[in-house]
Amino acid sequence: GENVEQHPSTLSVQEGDSAVIKCTYSDSASNYFPWYKQELGKRPQLIIDIRSNVGEKKDQRIAVTLNKTAKHFSLHITETQPEDSAVYFCAASLSNSGYALNFGKGTSLLVTP
Amino acid sequence: EPEVTQTPSHQVTQMGQEVILRCVPISNHLYFYWYRQILGQKVEFLVSFYNNEISEKSEIFDDQFSVERPDGSNFTLKIRSTKLEDSAMYFCASYRNEKLFFGSGTQLSVL
Repeated sequence: GENVEQHPSTLSVQEGDSAVIKCTYSDSASNYFPWYKQELGKRPQLIIDIRSNVGEKKDQRIAVTLNKTAKHFSLHITETQPEDSAVYFCAASLSNSGYALNFGKGTSLLVTP
Repeated sequence: EPEVTQTPSHQVTQMGQEVILRCVPISNHLYFYWYRQILGQKVEFLVSFYNNEISEKSEIFDDQFSVERPDGSNFTLKIRSTKLEDSAMYFCASYRNEKLFFGSGTQLSVL
Protein backbone atom coordinates (compact mmCIF):
# COMPACT_ATOMS: atom_id res chain seq x y z
CA GLY A 1 0.00 0.00 0.00
CA GLU A 2 0.90 3.65 0.15
CA ASN A 3 3.93 4.46 2.24
CA VAL A 4 5.56 7.54 3.76
CA GLU A 5 9.23 7.27 4.63
CA GLN A 6 10.74 9.77 7.04
CA HIS A 7 14.40 10.48 7.85
CA PRO A 8 16.20 10.81 10.12
CA SER A 9 14.54 9.01 13.01
CA THR A 10 16.50 11.10 15.50
CA LEU A 11 18.14 14.48 15.10
CA SER A 12 20.19 16.44 17.59
CA VAL A 13 21.19 20.05 16.91
CA GLN A 14 22.65 22.95 18.85
CA GLU A 15 20.38 25.83 19.69
CA GLY A 16 20.43 28.32 16.85
CA ASP A 17 21.30 25.76 14.19
CA SER A 18 18.93 24.61 11.46
CA ALA A 19 17.14 21.27 11.38
CA VAL A 20 15.96 19.48 8.25
CA ILE A 21 13.64 16.49 8.15
CA LYS A 22 12.88 14.70 4.88
CA CYS A 23 9.98 12.54 3.75
CA THR A 24 9.15 10.59 0.63
CA TYR A 25 5.79 9.23 -0.41
CA SER A 26 4.70 6.63 -2.91
CA ASP A 27 1.14 7.60 -3.88
CA SER A 28 1.27 10.02 -6.80
CA ALA A 29 -2.35 11.02 -6.09
CA SER A 30 -1.46 12.48 -2.68
CA ASN A 31 -2.07 16.22 -2.77
CA TYR A 32 -1.85 17.40 0.83
CA PHE A 33 1.26 17.22 3.02
CA PRO A 34 1.04 18.42 6.63
CA TRP A 35 3.66 18.37 9.34
CA TYR A 36 2.77 17.73 12.97
CA LYS A 37 4.70 18.35 16.16
CA GLN A 38 4.03 16.03 19.08
CA GLU A 39 5.33 16.62 22.56
CA LEU A 40 5.49 13.71 24.96
CA GLY A 41 2.03 12.49 25.94
CA LYS A 42 0.22 15.15 23.93
CA ARG A 43 -1.77 15.32 20.73
CA PRO A 44 -0.16 15.99 17.35
CA GLN A 45 -0.26 19.69 16.60
CA LEU A 46 -0.32 20.95 13.02
CA ILE A 47 2.64 23.28 12.46
CA ILE A 48 2.62 23.76 8.70
CA ASP A 49 1.16 22.17 5.60
CA ILE A 50 1.59 22.36 1.85
CA ARG A 51 -0.50 21.38 -1.13
CA SER A 52 0.57 19.87 -4.39
CA ASN A 53 0.09 23.09 -6.35
CA VAL A 54 2.76 24.87 -4.28
CA GLY A 55 6.50 24.20 -4.14
CA GLU A 56 7.39 26.01 -0.95
CA LYS A 57 5.72 27.59 2.05
CA LYS A 58 7.18 29.49 4.96
CA ASP A 59 5.87 30.52 8.36
CA GLN A 60 8.41 32.42 10.45
CA ARG A 61 11.17 29.92 11.36
CA ILE A 62 9.46 26.98 9.69
CA ALA A 63 9.41 26.18 6.00
CA VAL A 64 8.30 23.23 3.93
CA THR A 65 9.34 22.35 0.39
CA LEU A 66 7.64 19.90 -1.95
CA ASN A 67 8.98 18.19 -5.05
CA LYS A 68 6.03 16.37 -6.62
CA THR A 69 8.09 14.91 -9.43
CA ALA A 70 10.46 13.24 -7.01
CA LYS A 71 7.68 12.64 -4.44
CA HIS A 72 9.52 14.13 -1.55
CA PHE A 73 8.96 16.97 0.87
CA SER A 74 11.02 18.47 3.64
CA LEU A 75 10.62 20.46 6.83
CA HIS A 76 13.16 23.15 7.62
CA ILE A 77 13.41 24.76 11.05
CA THR A 78 15.82 27.66 11.34
CA GLU A 79 17.25 29.25 14.50
CA THR A 80 16.17 26.25 16.55
CA GLN A 81 15.24 26.70 20.20
CA PRO A 82 15.06 24.16 23.04
CA GLU A 83 11.25 24.33 22.92
CA ASP A 84 11.40 22.98 19.37
CA SER A 85 12.42 19.64 20.90
CA ALA A 86 9.65 17.14 20.11
CA VAL A 87 8.73 14.38 17.69
CA TYR A 88 7.86 15.65 14.22
CA PHE A 89 5.67 13.65 11.87
CA CYS A 90 5.19 14.21 8.18
CA ALA A 91 2.05 12.93 6.48
CA ALA A 92 0.57 12.58 3.03
CA SER A 93 -3.08 12.42 2.13
CA LEU A 94 -4.38 9.04 1.06
CA SER A 95 -5.55 9.30 -2.53
CA ASN A 96 -9.14 10.38 -3.08
CA SER A 97 -9.81 10.52 0.64
CA GLY A 98 -9.67 14.15 1.62
CA TYR A 99 -7.89 14.36 4.91
CA ALA A 100 -7.28 10.73 5.78
CA LEU A 101 -3.53 10.83 6.30
CA ASN A 102 -0.69 8.38 6.04
CA PHE A 103 2.00 9.32 8.57
CA GLY A 104 5.73 8.86 8.59
CA LYS A 105 7.38 7.16 11.56
CA GLY A 106 8.48 10.42 13.12
CA THR A 107 11.70 12.27 13.86
CA SER A 108 12.72 12.90 17.43
CA LEU A 109 14.34 16.33 17.43
CA LEU A 110 16.50 17.40 20.35
CA VAL A 111 17.72 20.98 20.52
CA THR A 112 20.46 21.41 23.09
CA PRO A 113 21.23 24.81 24.62
CA GLU B 1 -10.04 28.44 20.05
CA PRO B 2 -12.44 25.46 19.89
CA GLU B 3 -10.89 22.05 20.41
CA VAL B 4 -11.79 18.45 19.77
CA THR B 5 -12.44 16.83 23.15
CA GLN B 6 -12.21 13.15 24.01
CA THR B 7 -13.36 11.07 26.95
CA PRO B 8 -12.11 9.26 28.87
CA SER B 9 -8.47 10.32 28.88
CA HIS B 10 -7.48 6.86 30.11
CA GLN B 11 -9.33 3.56 29.80
CA VAL B 12 -8.22 0.26 31.27
CA THR B 13 -10.06 -2.88 30.25
CA GLN B 14 -9.74 -6.63 30.32
CA MET B 15 -9.05 -8.53 27.12
CA GLY B 16 -12.29 -9.54 25.45
CA GLN B 17 -14.30 -6.66 26.88
CA GLU B 18 -16.05 -4.00 24.83
CA VAL B 19 -14.94 -0.39 25.03
CA ILE B 20 -16.44 2.80 23.70
CA LEU B 21 -14.29 5.85 23.18
CA ARG B 22 -16.04 9.19 22.88
CA CYS B 23 -15.24 12.34 21.00
CA VAL B 24 -16.89 15.73 20.67
CA PRO B 25 -15.71 17.27 17.41
CA ILE B 26 -15.55 20.99 16.89
CA SER B 27 -19.04 22.24 16.11
CA ASN B 28 -19.84 22.79 12.42
CA HIS B 29 -17.09 20.41 11.35
CA LEU B 30 -18.42 17.79 8.97
CA TYR B 31 -15.63 15.25 8.59
CA PHE B 32 -14.48 13.10 11.48
CA TYR B 33 -11.65 10.64 11.87
CA TRP B 34 -10.19 8.10 14.26
CA TYR B 35 -6.46 7.47 14.40
CA ARG B 36 -4.41 5.40 16.78
CA GLN B 37 -0.81 5.53 17.96
CA ILE B 38 0.87 2.56 19.59
CA LEU B 39 3.47 3.70 22.10
CA GLY B 40 6.59 4.97 20.36
CA GLN B 41 5.20 4.39 16.87
CA LYS B 42 3.61 6.48 14.15
CA VAL B 43 0.05 7.69 14.00
CA GLU B 44 -2.13 5.28 12.00
CA PHE B 45 -5.37 6.08 10.19
CA LEU B 46 -8.37 3.97 11.20
CA VAL B 47 -11.52 5.43 9.69
CA SER B 48 -13.11 8.57 8.28
CA PHE B 49 -16.78 9.47 8.72
CA TYR B 50 -18.91 11.90 6.78
CA ASN B 51 -22.64 12.45 6.53
CA ASN B 52 -23.32 9.70 9.07
CA GLU B 53 -21.46 7.01 7.24
CA ILE B 54 -17.96 5.64 6.87
CA SER B 55 -16.21 7.18 3.88
CA GLU B 56 -12.94 5.30 4.16
CA LYS B 57 -11.29 2.79 6.47
CA SER B 58 -7.89 1.17 6.82
CA GLU B 59 -6.96 -2.49 7.12
CA ILE B 60 -6.73 -2.02 10.89
CA PHE B 61 -10.43 -1.16 11.07
CA ASP B 62 -11.78 -4.70 10.97
CA ASP B 63 -15.12 -6.12 12.12
CA GLN B 64 -14.18 -5.58 15.77
CA PHE B 65 -14.39 -1.81 15.24
CA SER B 66 -17.41 0.37 14.62
CA VAL B 67 -18.13 4.09 14.63
CA GLU B 68 -21.26 6.09 15.00
CA ARG B 69 -22.55 9.54 15.76
CA PRO B 70 -25.53 8.66 17.93
CA ASP B 71 -26.83 12.10 18.84
CA GLY B 72 -25.47 14.45 16.22
CA SER B 73 -22.66 15.72 18.44
CA ASN B 74 -20.73 12.84 20.00
CA PHE B 75 -18.67 10.63 17.71
CA THR B 76 -17.82 7.21 19.12
CA LEU B 77 -15.41 4.39 18.38
CA LYS B 78 -16.42 0.97 19.67
CA ILE B 79 -14.12 -2.01 19.96
CA ARG B 80 -16.27 -5.09 20.48
CA SER B 81 -13.81 -7.57 21.93
CA THR B 82 -10.53 -5.95 22.85
CA LYS B 83 -7.19 -7.63 22.27
CA LEU B 84 -3.86 -6.91 23.88
CA GLU B 85 -2.63 -5.34 20.66
CA ASP B 86 -5.44 -2.78 20.76
CA SER B 87 -3.53 -1.01 23.53
CA ALA B 88 -2.70 2.41 22.11
CA MET B 89 -3.54 6.09 22.21
CA TYR B 90 -6.66 6.73 20.16
CA PHE B 91 -7.08 10.17 18.63
CA CYS B 92 -10.25 11.61 17.24
CA ALA B 93 -9.87 14.36 14.64
CA SER B 94 -12.12 16.72 12.77
CA TYR B 95 -11.61 18.80 9.68
CA ARG B 96 -12.25 22.45 8.98
CA ASN B 97 -10.76 25.11 6.75
CA GLU B 98 -8.80 22.43 4.95
CA LYS B 99 -6.97 21.43 8.12
CA LEU B 100 -7.17 18.43 10.42
CA PHE B 101 -7.31 18.99 14.16
CA PHE B 102 -6.63 16.23 16.67
CA GLY B 103 -8.27 15.67 20.02
CA SER B 104 -6.31 15.11 23.21
CA GLY B 105 -6.56 11.35 22.90
CA THR B 106 -7.71 8.36 24.95
CA GLN B 107 -5.02 6.04 26.23
CA LEU B 108 -6.45 2.51 26.04
CA SER B 109 -4.76 -0.22 28.03
CA VAL B 110 -5.91 -3.79 27.49
CA LEU B 111 -4.82 -6.21 30.21
